[in-house]
Amino acid sequence: QVQLVESGGGVVQPGGSLRLSCEASGFTFTDSGMHWVRQAPGKGLEWVAFIRYDENIKYYADSVKGRFTISRDNSKNTLYLQMNSLRPEDTAVYYCAKDGLCGGACISRLFDYWGQGTLVTVSS
Amino acid sequence: EIVLTQSPATLSLSPGERVTLSCRASQSLSNFLAWFQQKPGQAPRLLIYDVSKRATGIPGRFSGSGAGTDFTLTISSLEPEDFAVYYCQQRSNWPPTFGGGTKVEIK
Repeated sequence: QVQLVESGGGVVQPGGSLRLSCEASGFTFTDSGMHWVRQAPGKGLEWVAFIRYDENIKYYADSVKGRFTISRDNSKNTLYLQMNSLRPEDTAVYYCAKDGLCGGACISRLFDYWGQGTLVTVSS
Repeated sequence: EIVLTQSPATLSLSPGERVTLSCRASQSLSNFLAWFQQKPGQAPRLLIYDVSKRATGIPGRFSGSGAGTDFTLTISSLEPEDFAVYYCQQRSNWPPTFGGGTKVEIK
């Protein structure tokens, strides 16, 4: 079965950096687009970033553009999110999610499987 | 970006009741509208995609309908495990966006 396991969250000071990881199993990771979605405490869901299976296409939310970088290592079935210049408003649970319905060059923008999330707290 | 507005914010209901949740988009989505369920401390779970297609393993009491800018999620008869927050999401355009959620709570 599909499994997505995030790690790397923690407490960081404003202006600091953190790298999140998401280890995937149970599906063909090398053929799948992947997303990061976040949820601030007690709030709704916000899409953060997308990477295509071959890393040739990446998209970012305006709120993180220029500060966050999405990447992947297909040899390790792992997705990453490098977060720099962190702000208090970046405090959230960060989920990785698989892009569903199709694979390869197709991008569906549908999140069919999610990890359990990792909490990032930006505070002094 | 496309804004999704969900109503009501909260519904207080009893098991066995029929539930209708609304999601309105700021522009036409064609049929690219999905619904998610989220329970406390858990990740969201995909229920419905492309307006009315049930995701794998989703019970038949969940159904979706609508077109253009107005969409509905219906739960035909509430089970105890259905008390949760429900989000709609559009995949019509970048960036993908979510509604603010509707909480279905026990009356």
